[in-house]
Amino acid sequence: GAVVSQHPSWVICKSGTSVKIECRSLDFQATTMFWYRQFPKQSLMLMATSNEGSKATYEQGVEKDKFLINHASLTLSTLTVTSAHPEDSSFYICSAEQGANYGYTFGSGTRLTVV
Amino acid sequence: RKEVEQDPGPFNVPEGATVAFNCTYSNSASQSFFWYRQDCRKEPKLLMSVYSSGNEDGRFTAQLNRASQYISLLIRDSKLSDSATYLCVVTTGRRALTFGSGTRLQVQP
Repeated sequence: GAVVSQHPSWVICKSGTSVKIECRSLDFQATTMFWYRQFPKQSLMLMATSNEGSKATYEQGVEKDKFLINHASLTLSTLTVTSAHPEDSSFYICSAEQGANYGYTFGSGTRLTVV
Repeated sequence: RKEVEQDPGPFNVPEGATVAFNCTYSNSASQSFFWYRQDCRKEPKLLMSVYSSGNEDGRFTAQLNRASQYISLLIRDSKLSDSATYLCVVTTGRRALTFGSGTRLQVQP
């Protein structure tokens, strides 16, 4: 089946630093990837939709200058959390749609802790 | 009002029990419906799609009532390995998924 590889699995960083999270579709081309965030005991919330070759579409309340998304190829999308703060600590997870009838595949998620 | 609402639980049931979860969604234009399973600190995994005619996969049965905007999941003969959070998920015309906050199930020996 379709696989989305997400790295790193977890990261601890200091306040003010930037962290890059990568998602790769390993055996299919993903023109669109979705980035979600999940705080403890809460639902996954869509942050942005990443489109290959064009600008990402951000959800209301998500700062595009803080969460930089790049989708430069059909198999790779990256999310960079810039100038991270403790309130950015969360579980970040990407998802790709393999095709209209194939459903969605999730990466394994990245647990970010900002200290 | 949340787009997808679920009882957070937890539901604590003994092995072998039958347990049902419900979910309601607010957007009548919602198009696709799913149940996902999420283990602690892991990514969600698709359990099953949900159709108006109802569908069954082994011990799991899902039902959709479009008129009431209501989705259900029934688990028969619960196993310890069924312990997880069950997420009700819909699409609303946008391609992204909209998640409920999940219902936690704990199956006890």
